[in-house]
Amino acid sequence: EPEVTQTPSHQVTQMGQEVILRCVPISNHLYFYWYRQILGQKVEFLVSFYNNEISEKSEIFDDQFSVERPDGSNFTLKIRSTKLEDSAMYFCASRPGTSGYNEQFFGPGTRLTVL
Amino acid sequence: DAKTTQPTSMDCAEGRAANLPCNHSTISGNEYVYWYRQIHSQGPQYIIHGLKNNETNEMASLIITEDRKSSTLILPHATLRDTAVYYCIVRARAQDDKIIFGKGTRLHILP
Repeated sequence: EPEVTQTPSHQVTQMGQEVILRCVPISNHLYFYWYRQILGQKVEFLVSFYNNEISEKSEIFDDQFSVERPDGSNFTLKIRSTKLEDSAMYFCASRPGTSGYNEQFFGPGTRLTVL
Repeated sequence: DAKTTQPTSMDCAEGRAANLPCNHSTISGNEYVYWYRQIHSQGPQYIIHGLKNNETNEMASLIITEDRKSSTLILPHATLRDTAVYYCIVRARAQDDKIIFGKGTRLHILP
């Protein structure tokens, strides 16, 4: 069964450094998402992406964050200058297309630790 | 901003049916009830959704009351692998693309 994959599984970085989290959505999916979950807290929506542009973003998704689909398979989340409070699990999700409404499939997550 | 209310935690014996309740008294006519679960630190997993009729799939059954103000997710024969946090989410299918997760119910399946 097709799956969303994410790399790396764990990323450790120093405060102020840039990180790029990578996701490979399911191949025929058209809608892409990033969510995060700080340890012990709720899963929070960050951004949705369709047709090579951001559809919606949350208050969390400020100028330090950006997303990109650099090729036909990858979907990336970049944090320009990481802060301690960016430490969290980051989940990528994707869903198929526009015929009816299809559910989001989540990846296993990347644990980001900012020191 | 919570649209749903769920118990914080529940226990269920392995092999028995797990019945997870959810209150959504302010649900509006175009909103669906969705259930997701999150097994320890993994990505959330879709389980089932419904509008007003009861629904069943290979994972679970969803029972929605006639007034749609509450629902119950039923795992018919719970196994240890069903230990997870279960999220009941109300959203309008067309307008609400993002998923807003609450705190959910932590379900412990006991051997």
